[in-house]
Amino acid sequence: AQSVTQLGSHVSVSEGALVLLRCNYSSSVPPYLFWYVQYPNQGLQLLLKYTSAATLVKGINGFEAEFKKSETSFHLTKPSAHMSDAAEYFCAGNNFGNEKLTFGTGTRLTIIP
Amino acid sequence: KAGVTQTPRYLIKTRGQQVTLSCSPISGHRSVSWYQQTPGQGLQFLFEYFSETQRNKGNFPGRFSGRQFSNSRSEMNVSTLELGDSALYLCASSDSGGASYNEQFFGPGTRLTVL
Repeated sequence: AQSVTQLGSHVSVSEGALVLLRCNYSSSVPPYLFWYVQYPNQGLQLLLKYTSAATLVKGINGFEAEFKKSETSFHLTKPSAHMSDAAEYFCAGNNFGNEKLTFGTGTRLTIIP
Repeated sequence: KAGVTQTPRYLIKTRGQQVTLSCSPISGHRSVSWYQQTPGQGLQFLFEYFSETQRNKGNFPGRFSGRQFSNSRSEMNVSTLELGDSALYLCASSDSGGASYNEQFFGPGTRLTVL
């Protein structure tokens, strides 16, 4: 069964600093991978997705993620944190033809002014 | 295109009651999935409907059920509510294998509180 692991349930960074949120997947077949962001009392918004077309994926709001098969990782990064980035971030995966998304436990990102 | 809409946004029920939540997918999307989000269990998949048929099912008791109509709108029903059913219920739609590569678009959710 596929699983997604997010290391660190809480991450704090200073405004302007690098954001790094970690995600590892476990699957016999490289899945489709996604990063979603959730603001308080809202649904999930897609930041970016990996679909095997390119290992470095650029998303919205300056975020990007790199798929590394050798490390089974799909970490999310942003060069310079902004106060508006404070939210909860979820890594998720599924396989082609299967809509069921398996989510990580989420990482709450706090930005320190 | 309008996004995924869910009604109602907030709901308060008492134990033993039943509840029906509604989801309208993005126009043209035929797949609708439901997820339960709680602080303790995180985001868990409930079920997925495609062209009025349940195609995938998560590990939830039979009190949780759903259906999809010919216009792709979906409802989920929870019978005999328990305190542990208090959660944010999220609906997501996709065009299922089309150019969006399984990308799912989420609605704002329905916050269910069971007293």
